[in-house]
Amino acid sequence: DIQMTQSPSSVSASVGDRVTITCRASQDIGTWLAWYQQKPGKAPKLLMSSSSKLQKGVPSRFSGSGSGTDFTLTISSLQPEDLATYFCQQANSLPYTFGLGTKLEIK
Amino acid sequence: QVQLQQWGAGLLKPSDTLSLTCAISGESPSGYFWSWIRQPPGTGLEWIGDINLSGGTNYNPSLKSRVTISIDRSKNQFSLNLTSVTAADTALYYCARVLVTYGGIGVPYNWFDAWGQGTLVTVSS
Repeated sequence: DIQMTQSPSSVSASVGDRVTITCRASQDIGTWLAWYQQKPGKAPKLLMSSSSKLQKGVPSRFSGSGSGTDFTLTISSLQPEDLATYFCQQANSLPYTFGLGTKLEIK
Repeated sequence: QVQLQQWGAGLLKPSDTLSLTCAISGESPSGYFWSWIRQPPGTGLEWIGDINLSGGTNYNPSLKSRVTISIDRSKNQFSLNLTSVTAADTALYYCARVLVTYGGIGVPYNWFDAWGQGTLVTVSS
């Protein structure tokens, strides 16, 4: 199985800050990576697919980049509603695997 | 807009069979894969498997010997059965729709773009 490692496991930032979360795959997955946002008590929501393709309705302050084994999710200007845990997922090969998540807290 | 509503027993004993069902509404289920994903308490997500409308399935090898995913086209529902559960199967279980992106040579790459509300399943004696 492809292992997905996220860092940091948690981050605390202020409204307006730029926040970057990283995800590393244990082998080359091309650009076949997604990011999800899970707010407390809710199901995950797909933010981004194919490393950088923003899903409809997702604010443009979210962006994704990377290919191969190293990927980043960036929030350009943190908003209070961005309080959530963020997960990456590889779609390159079965079984699909997820990172353990990055918990984003607002200072 | 697709909606997924799931249900099933929330408290099981070791060796029981976990059974969950997910109803699809708001859009035709044709042309999609449908998936089950679980989340143990306080940790990450684990893909269990998926099924298409023709009944074709893919399973996570770690669970394959115990898992069956089935679909009832007449009711627009799909189901998860997991046999011989243990405490390690305690988790929040989600049903989800698979969004497929096709690569340059037609290879499918799957994401999960709509989710049920989740069902907490606890296995305890």
